[in-house]
Amino acid sequence: GAVVSQHPSRVICKSGTSVKIECRSLDFQATTMFWYRQFPKQSLMLMATSNEGSKATYEQGVEKDKFLINHASLTLSTLTVTSAHPEDSSFYICSARYPGPYEQYFGPGTRLTVT
Amino acid sequence: DQQVKQNSPSLSVQEGRISILNCDYTNSMFDYFLWYKKYPAEGPTFLISISSIKDKNEDGRFTVFLNKSAKHLSLHIVPSQPGDSAVYFCAAGRDRGSNYKLTFGKGTLLTVNP
Repeated sequence: GAVVSQHPSRVICKSGTSVKIECRSLDFQATTMFWYRQFPKQSLMLMATSNEGSKATYEQGVEKDKFLINHASLTLSTLTVTSAHPEDSSFYICSARYPGPYEQYFGPGTRLTVT
Repeated sequence: DQQVKQNSPSLSVQEGRISILNCDYTNSMFDYFLWYKKYPAEGPTFLISISSIKDKNEDGRFTVFLNKSAKHLSLHIVPSQPGDSAVYFCAAGRDRGSNYKLTFGKGTLLTVNP
């Protein structure tokens, strides 16, 4: 149980275009989902917390107009990278809060490359 | 300000022996701690967790110990297997309703040699 999927697993886009990444909890409902970014050989950096039916809460330094997050249902959250630039190239990972005290389950990640 | 620290970037052990991964934290308000395992280009996999009101939690080959006075926790893997080779992240969190989120350490690369 507790499976989280992400789509696509990797995407290459041109600079200036927008890219949407989907995160789904497959076998549980998640009122809260999270979006992380990981740079090579570094830890996971929390970008934003997404609560179903409300606006996302962004961490300090993360541009909310650039990284649009929508959590329209209890099983789906999307991250849209708008007007992508090469510096946005990274590994993006979502997670979903499992019902219960504090466990989070992660998706497999999306490798974004902006050319 | 790094609230969760994993001071050993890497650890190498022999198959069958014990692996001990360490984690220190600075925020005494953390309510719970988790360990995740991560392979390259994949999302982290949840391993085991512990509440701040406990000092030990065991699940199969994995045991997590918490020393609140020292603000230290450790993950023991016994016996270690080559498939355990991965990056291990320690995470800590506070459950304050909508303010729930995890803070991660930088990870420790475990290599289990056959």
